[in-house]
Amino acid sequence: DQQVKQNSPSLSVQEGRISILNCDYTNSMFDYFLWYKKYPAEGPTFLISISSIKDKNEDGRFTVFLNKSAKHLSLHIVPSQPGDSAVYFCAASANSGAGSYQLTFGKGTKLSVIP
Amino acid sequence: EAEVAQSPRYKITEKSQAVAFWCDPISGHATLYWYRQILGQGPELLVQFQDESVVDDSQLPKDRFSAERLKGVDSTLKIQPAELGDSAMYLCASSLHIISYNEQFFGPGTRLTVL
Repeated sequence: DQQVKQNSPSLSVQEGRISILNCDYTNSMFDYFLWYKKYPAEGPTFLISISSIKDKNEDGRFTVFLNKSAKHLSLHIVPSQPGDSAVYFCAASANSGAGSYQLTFGKGTKLSVIP
Repeated sequence: EAEVAQSPRYKITEKSQAVAFWCDPISGHATLYWYRQILGQGPELLVQFQDESVVDDSQLPKDRFSAERLKGVDSTLKIQPAELGDSAMYLCASSLHIISYNEQFFGPGTRLTVL
């Protein structure tokens, strides 16, 4: 049972346009959501996050939107740049029940920004 | 900038052999995680440490996998014996605290190929 779903394995966008990456989740206990970016042969790097009590968080070209009623979040990149080409993972945090918080990751969306 | 170190970066082994991976978290980070990432999937948590104690190892295949963090700093993940299905990227991550909104920092990973 996949609790965090990224239904688009890949996305291609022209340089300068907006990239929108989507993520759906099923667990209502998730209280924090994060986006990670991963280049080939590197580990994931943190990009942006949002608390479940907010509906928007913005950091430069990156904005994350959270719709709790729909259990949906999205990452907007404006404008998209070729260096943004990477795999983007959506992750959600919840109390594991053992007194700790753990991340559950989606399968990732590979973004290609075309010059 | 502080980074999570992992070694080796690549490991090729034959099935039934033993392998070990090493991780050195960011200095001062109390929480350490080992993840396994199969190609085309998101990272999946294997084990989580708080200092030298295991917080959660419910997803660790304990018949063949073991992990330790003896002094609460660096950590070793071992597989014995390795099986073909263990081929994956093994990622180590660390965070300052165990709380939900604490960003996890990932190392570059160890790519394991079992022949």
